[in-house]
Amino acid sequence: QQQVKQSPQSLIVQKGGISIINCAYENTAFDYFPWYQQFPGKGPALLIAIRPDVSEKKEGRFTISFNKSAKQFSLHIMDSQPGDSATYFCAARNSGNTPLVFGKGTRLSVIA
Amino acid sequence: DGGITQSPKYLFRKEGQNVTLSCEQNLNHDAMYWYRQDPGQGLRLIYYSQIVNDFQKGDIAEGYSVSREKKESFPLTVTSAQKNPTAFYLCASRLGPESEELFFGEGSRLTVL
Repeated sequence: QQQVKQSPQSLIVQKGGISIINCAYENTAFDYFPWYQQFPGKGPALLIAIRPDVSEKKEGRFTISFNKSAKQFSLHIMDSQPGDSATYFCAARNSGNTPLVFGKGTRLSVIA
Repeated sequence: DGGITQSPKYLFRKEGQNVTLSCEQNLNHDAMYWYRQDPGQGLRLIYYSQIVNDFQKGDIAEGYSVSREKKESFPLTVTSAQKNPTAFYLCASRLGPESEELFFGEGSRLTVL
């Protein structure tokens, strides 16, 4: 059973456009929702994260929107650049010391 | 520089052979993890360890084994019992319960011939 469902699987965006990736979860005990960015041949790295007590978090061109009632959260990349081309993973975790559960990833390509 | 070192970066093995992937961290992190990455499958948890000499199975532990004899080391053995071992393997670590961020190594790509 997939605990975090991520869509779309792949995404192509024009340079300067907005990239939007969505994730949905079922476990209401999740209380930490990060996004990781992975470039080819490298390990993922934390991009931005949110807790359910806020509905939005912004860091530069990257924004997480969180909808607790719908059990959904999304990553928005404003003014997308070719350097943003990577695979993005959403994830979630219970409070305490449990491991992160990852979505299946979205491969983003930003074309000029 | 602190970080996580995985070796080898590329590894080829014949069917029926065991292989051990190395993961070393100098971040003084308590928790360490092994994930497997396949195209379109995301990151799936194999094993994790929160303290030395203790580890737990993840979602896909069958055919794998680990040890945690030292805080900085968490090697993963892919045994001949693993039916589809060809994959990209990622090791990660986390400081502890008080820290959320997971730090990843650069991965090891295993190909079974």
